[in-house]
Amino acid sequence: GAVVSQHPSRVICKSGTSVKIECRSLDFQATTMFWYRQFPKQSLMLMATSNEGSKATYEQGVEKDKFLINHASLTLSTLTVTSAHPEDSSFYICSASLAGDNNEQFFGPGTRLTVL
Amino acid sequence: DAKTTQPNSMESNEEEPVHLPCNHSTISGTDYIHWYRQLPSQGPEYVIHGLTSNVNNRMASLAIAEDRKSSTLILHRATLRDAAVYYCILLGGSQGNLIFGKGTKLSVKP
Repeated sequence: GAVVSQHPSRVICKSGTSVKIECRSLDFQATTMFWYRQFPKQSLMLMATSNEGSKATYEQGVEKDKFLINHASLTLSTLTVTSAHPEDSSFYICSASLAGDNNEQFFGPGTRLTVL
Repeated sequence: DAKTTQPNSMESNEEEPVHLPCNHSTISGTDYIHWYRQLPSQGPEYVIHGLTSNVNNRMASLAIAEDRKSSTLILHRATLRDAAVYYCILLGGSQGNLIFGKGTKLSVKP
């Protein structure tokens, strides 16, 4: 199956700093990528849908100015958590889908963000 | 979005079959039934999906009720590596984003 990578796998930062997380589709082109957040013992929550070459669509309650998404190419989307605070500590997961009617999504391994 | 209902947790013995149920009574005619699973500290992994007919692949089988209001994911021989949270998700024909519920946490005992 198709492979999606994320970098870094885990990051620890100080409060107030910004953190960039990369999501890459390694062996396919993804017109659409998704960003999820998962708090401990909870399910994944969709944050935003990222389309190559256009602005991301954010879910209700997700601040677009705090979580900057850039989908600059068909194989790369980035999520930047700006001015991170301890409450932003979470497991961030991206996924990418191939065009087609089954909409199977391929997920990255996730990035564990800890804000001190 | 049409909702799904799954048991919070299930237990199985290793090498025995496991049947994971999912109710989706408000499913629409164009909704596909998708199953994903998430192992601890990993991203979710696609398992199987179907529309009306039962489906089989190397990982599992999906049995879909005739009225499509419920489905069952079948793991034919559970292994310790199958311990994960299993999510049943409905996906419309033109909708690309997956909405995750709480899923079923499957424990496999040796």
